[in-house]
Amino acid sequence: EIVLTQSPDTLSLSPGERATLSCRASQTVSSAYLVWYQQKPGQAPRLLIYGASRRATGTPERFSGSVSETDFTLTISRVEPEDSAVYYCQQFAGSPFDFGQGTRLE
Amino acid sequence: QVQLEQSGGGVTQPGKSLRLSCSGSKIIFSGHGIHWVRQGPGKGLEWVALIGHDGSQKNYADSVKGRFTVSRDTSRNTAFLQMDSLRVEDTAMYYCARYEGTPRAFDIWGQGTPVTVSS
Repeated sequence: EIVLTQSPDTLSLSPGERATLSCRASQTVSSAYLVWYQQKPGQAPRLLIYGASRRATGTPERFSGSVSETDFTLTISRVEPEDSAVYYCQQFAGSPFDFGQGTRLE
Repeated sequence: QVQLEQSGGGVTQPGKSLRLSCSGSKIIFSGHGIHWVRQGPGKGLEWVALIGHDGSQKNYADSVKGRFTVSRDTSRNTAFLQMDSLRVEDTAMYYCARYEGTPRAFDIWGQGTPVTVSS
């Protein structure tokens, strides 16, 4: 079973600052199978990044994803107020297709 | 607009059963696996179960194995999550989500349906 650990739990930034969110896998996960979602209060999650670094349709260019071995990173180059949300990573390398515990961006 | 329409949630007692439904148009539903994801009050996302595009593949989280059953009716473009022997800890918002091979992710989500298990 692959465990995804996200950090930090909460990130508080001002508009225009850079956000760096981490997702560490307990074992090797192909980048093809790692995705990021954004969830705002009262809404279903929305696909943000797939294949570790590919922006989904509608994802602004300020969002980017990268990977280094088992460490996956979601970066927001200059945060905007509407980016306030909880961000989750998820792996599809094998069942159970678990999520990380989430990072709240304020 | 909601592309996966969910129904069937509600309030029930421990040990009882509920069945959730997740429906879409043929173009949205056909040929895709459907997953179920839940989110407890104030908690993160928890993957629950999967049914493959043709119903032959079924996987479950350990927390629901033996109590929950997934199925689908291809003719009605509907997937179901049968939840038996419900526990208080099953209280959550339940989402269905479509798995798309490219981008290998949940690209369409239902609006969610709340399930409350309480004595």
